[in-house]
Amino acid sequence: KAGVTQTPRYLIKTRGQQVTLSCSPISGHRSVSWYQQTPGQGLQFLFEYFSETQRNKGNFPGRFSGRQFSNSRSEMNVSTLELGDSALYLCASSNSWIQGNTGELFFGEGSRLTVL
Amino acid sequence: QQQVKQSPQSLIVQKGGIPIINCAYENTAFDYFPWYQQFPGKGPALLIAIRPDVSEKKEGRFTISFNKSAKQFSLHIMDSQPGDSATYFCAASSRAGANNLFFGTGTRLTVIP
Repeated sequence: KAGVTQTPRYLIKTRGQQVTLSCSPISGHRSVSWYQQTPGQGLQFLFEYFSETQRNKGNFPGRFSGRQFSNSRSEMNVSTLELGDSALYLCASSNSWIQGNTGELFFGEGSRLTVL
Repeated sequence: QQQVKQSPQSLIVQKGGIPIINCAYENTAFDYFPWYQQFPGKGPALLIAIRPDVSEKKEGRFTISFNKSAKQFSLHIMDSQPGDSATYFCAASSRAGANNLFFGTGTRLTVIP
């Protein structure tokens, strides 16, 4: 069974640009969550999608957005990039579909974004 | 504000030793406490998880101890091996935000052969 696939793995952008990251969850998983990992702040929850609907959102500015498609694939977008957005962006999929039921999160290897 | 506090930041043990990593939380709505292991260049992977209705859970060489009254939980790695060298994260979530995990800051474990 293929794991969570994230693309691109590495990218470099400059301040003010925007970036779109893609995530393909494990087949059959309908929940996709996004996390930001930085040395200073650690792992922080961005948002979660289930059945194309945002179910939860973390404490990030509106420049961070996401969406989920009917095949459960998800994208996240960061607009007007800032230096502080440099991070590893991790996508995680889960087969938990009952509200309030925490299932195991399967993480991808992440997309490492560098903002210059 | 860090919802889950983790210590120590780094840990070095000899092969066969028993490293212990501790975490504490304040939010009494948390009811799911997983531990994740992360190797360099990889995403975190679930190691073991516990819910507050039990005080201990063991899976192989990994044990979680949970103290609900103290709002603390810890990970013990029995007979540690060099292959256990990784960064370990504790986390917590509540039913309301099921897949919104609040992570600790991580512990970098080094097991010396």
